[in-house]
Amino acid sequence: SQKIEQNSEALNIQEGKTATLTCNYTNYSPAYLQWYRQDPGRGPVFLLLIRENEKEKRKERLKVTFDTTLKQSLFHITASQPADSATYLCAPADTGRRALTFGSGTRLQVQP
Amino acid sequence: GAVVSQHPSWVICKSGTSVKIECRSLDFQATTMFWYRQFPKQSLMLMATSNEGSKATYEQGVEKDKFLINHASLTLSTLTVTSAHPEDSSFYICSARDQGTSVGTQYFGPGTRLTVL
Repeated sequence: SQKIEQNSEALNIQEGKTATLTCNYTNYSPAYLQWYRQDPGRGPVFLLLIRENEKEKRKERLKVTFDTTLKQSLFHITASQPADSATYLCAPADTGRRALTFGSGTRLQVQP
Repeated sequence: GAVVSQHPSWVICKSGTSVKIECRSLDFQATTMFWYRQFPKQSLMLMATSNEGSKATYEQGVEKDKFLINHASLTLSTLTVTSAHPEDSSFYICSARDQGTSVGTQYFGPGTRLTVL
């Protein structure tokens, strides 16, 4: 069955450092992968989408990589800030027509 | 960016009553919307796919008679929890697929916290 794995443990880092979150998937052949941020009591907010033919995508302090051989995506936040503290969700998808399935998410805590 | 709204943001109701939650895409059209439920410290679980002008498709284990979905226009889908019970208390989140993007990026509403007493 399809599986999406994200670090279940919370990630604690110091302000200013780079946070790296991992998303591994099995039994998927995604055409693209999306990353979302979710704050407590709120719906997910779309951050970045990377396609299977893209190795890397950047948006401001965010960078996403996509390795279809390793079946893995890495999500980086550079110069992290306490305001980046949230749960980050990844969602691989093979088509835009179906609903997204999410990993359990990784909770990031940036310490001032 | 695309905006999806939900109303109400929270609701408290008595057991046995029905509650309607609205999901609107504010600046784009969405032939497809999705309804999710999320319990504390868990990931989002898809409940149903709402298609404009046709019947919703429900995930296994979700009672269609209990969770009524109506997608009457390209910008509005509603979820009605009928005869709500305390075990229906949860965080309900909708998402809408932006037809204007090539891959149909999904945008989520802010969620509705339902508490059934």
